[in-house]
Amino acid sequence: GAVVSQHPSWVICKSGTSVKIECRSLDFQATTMFWYRQFPKQSLMLMATSNEGSKATYEQGVEKDKFLINHASLTLSTLTVTSAHPEDSSFYICSARDGQDYEQYFGPGTRLTVT
Amino acid sequence: QKEVEQNSGPLSVPEGAIASLNCTYSDRGSQSFFWYRQYSGKSPELIMSIYSNGDKEDGRFTAQLNKASQYVSLLIRDSQPSDSATYLCAGRPTSGGYNKLIFGAGTRLAVHP
Repeated sequence: GAVVSQHPSWVICKSGTSVKIECRSLDFQATTMFWYRQFPKQSLMLMATSNEGSKATYEQGVEKDKFLINHASLTLSTLTVTSAHPEDSSFYICSARDGQDYEQYFGPGTRLTVT
Repeated sequence: QKEVEQNSGPLSVPEGAIASLNCTYSDRGSQSFFWYRQYSGKSPELIMSIYSNGDKEDGRFTAQLNKASQYVSLLIRDSQPSDSATYLCAGRPTSGGYNKLIFGAGTRLAVHP
């Protein structure tokens, strides 16, 4: 149980374009989903918390207009990186919280490369 | 700023030994703690959660929580080379968004044959 998927697993895009990453909870309903970014050999950095049907809460320093998050259903959240730049190249990982528990279950991650 | 601190390592142990990973936290009211394992290039995987003072065992893993000392640890018995990974400690904060977790930077464990 508690399986989270992400799509795509890797993506290469040109500078200035937008990229959408999907995060799905496959066998549970996720009232809350989280988006993280991780640069090589660095720790996880929480970008935002999204609750189904409401606006995402962004961490300090994360540009909400650049990283658009939509949590339209209890099983799907999307992160759109708008006007991507090479410095946005990173490993983006989503996680989902299963109802009453506070454990977070992570998706496999999406490796974004902006050229 | 609520913090979770871990020694970055690497912690090197021989195969078959006990690996002891430690974590301290600054949020005195924090009640819930989690250990995740992250292999290089992969996403974190939940190993254990612990909510009460004392020990919690699951197979070769034992999590220990001491709220008075604000200290969480993970023991891995009979360490295997496949246990070589970065171990992340996380705590749930009591303010600033109680749904989220605060992660430590991780301790890299290397188990050598």
